[in-house]
Amino acid sequence: EAGVAQSPRYKIIEKRQSVAFWCNPISGHATLYWYQQILGQGPKLLIQFQNNGVVDDSQLPKDRFSAERLKGVDSTLKIQPAKLEDSAVYLCASSLDGTADQPQHFGDGTRLSIL
Amino acid sequence: GDSVTQMEGPVTLSEEAFLTINCTYTATGYPSLFWYVQYPGEGLQLLLKATKADDKGSNKGFEATYRKETTSFHLEKGSVQVSDSAVYFCALSDTAGRRALTFGSGTRLQVQP
Repeated sequence: EAGVAQSPRYKIIEKRQSVAFWCNPISGHATLYWYQQILGQGPKLLIQFQNNGVVDDSQLPKDRFSAERLKGVDSTLKIQPAKLEDSAVYLCASSLDGTADQPQHFGDGTRLSIL
Repeated sequence: GDSVTQMEGPVTLSEEAFLTINCTYTATGYPSLFWYVQYPGEGLQLLLKATKADDKGSNKGFEATYRKETTSFHLEKGSVQVSDSAVYFCALSDTAGRRALTFGSGTRLQVQP
């Protein structure tokens, strides 16, 4: 089966600019996650969707980050305006139904560098 | 809140050496536990999992046992290969709360021929 697809792979922008990332989960997976992975750290959840509804966005910096999953399939994550501290790899993951024992499948990530 | 603590790396071993990477956790409910691996230039991949106490997860020669009494999930392999060089992440998914993964900070393993 095709894996989780993310684009772009790399993005370089200046601070205060905006940027968007795209994710296409594995077909049939109801749950979609966005994680932020800062260099040297483990991934940290930003937002979790169940179909097209938000399950958990408690750790999303809502003053600058937004995400949507309008049709319950693809998702986009946006940052506006970007700060230097947003330099990280943004990972998208999906799972079949979001239950605790179901594995999450990760994309290759988008590496964001803020100048 | 939930947390995962891993031993710091890098861990450098010679080929065929025994590997242990320690992982302990704190959770409010009854979590499922996972080890993910990230090979150079690749995305995170599930290595193994355990969903209840005393379960042993295993894959590719790696093993980890869910120890509720010590809140641990240590990763072991009897004989490492150069191809095992990667970053290993311990993670939990708490059934009592949100089910997204809480990750440790990762342990880099370097295996020398």
